[in-house]
Amino acid sequence: DIQMTQSPSSLSASVGDRVTISCRASRSVTYYVNWYQQKPGNAPKLLIHAASILYSGVPSRFSGSGSGTEFTLTISHLEPEDFATYYCQQSYSLPRTFGQGTKLEIK
Amino acid sequence: EVQLVESGGGLVKPGGSLTLSCAASGVTFADTWMSWVRQAPGKGLEWVGRIKSTPDDGTTEYAAPVQGRFTISRDDSKHTLFLQMNSLRIEDTAVYYCTTTVRWELRFEYWGQGAPVTVSS
Repeated sequence: DIQMTQSPSSLSASVGDRVTISCRASRSVTYYVNWYQQKPGNAPKLLIHAASILYSGVPSRFSGSGSGTEFTLTISHLEPEDFATYYCQQSYSLPRTFGQGTKLEIK
Repeated sequence: EVQLVESGGGLVKPGGSLTLSCAASGVTFADTWMSWVRQAPGKGLEWVGRIKSTPDDGTTEYAAPVQGRFTISRDDSKHTLFLQMNSLRIEDTAVYYCTTTVRWELRFEYWGQGAPVTVSS
């Protein structure tokens, strides 16, 4: 199975900050990485697919990059509604696997 | 608008069985690959399995922890996805989400609200 490891596990930031979340795959997944946002009590929402493609309706302050084993999610200018938990996920091989999550909290 | 509505969750004893349903609307269901993802209390997301669309042969794949105990099926005439869970274990306690996925399960696009399943004596 491909392991997805996110860092950091938690992050404190302020509205207006730029934040970056990293995700490392245990072996190459080319560009088959997606990012999801989850708020407490709600289902996850797709933000980024194929490493860097912004999903329909997602604000442009979200961006993704990377290939192979190293990937990043960047939020360029934090808004109050962005405080949530973020997950990366690989769709290169079965079983599909997720990172452990990064909880983004208000400083 | 795509909507996925799960039902059938609840409390079950270890070794028991439960079947979840997921009613879909706003999608051409028969042409849609579907997946189940679960989330244990306070934990991250875990892929459970998937079923291909009927035109793509409708076959299933499962995660190792549920292989042989869980069965995913679909009724295209009713736009409904099912997850039959047998021999349930305490570690199967989770919220179960059904999701739509594009062909080849490249991403999980739409998610239901989740069905809570608690396995406890």
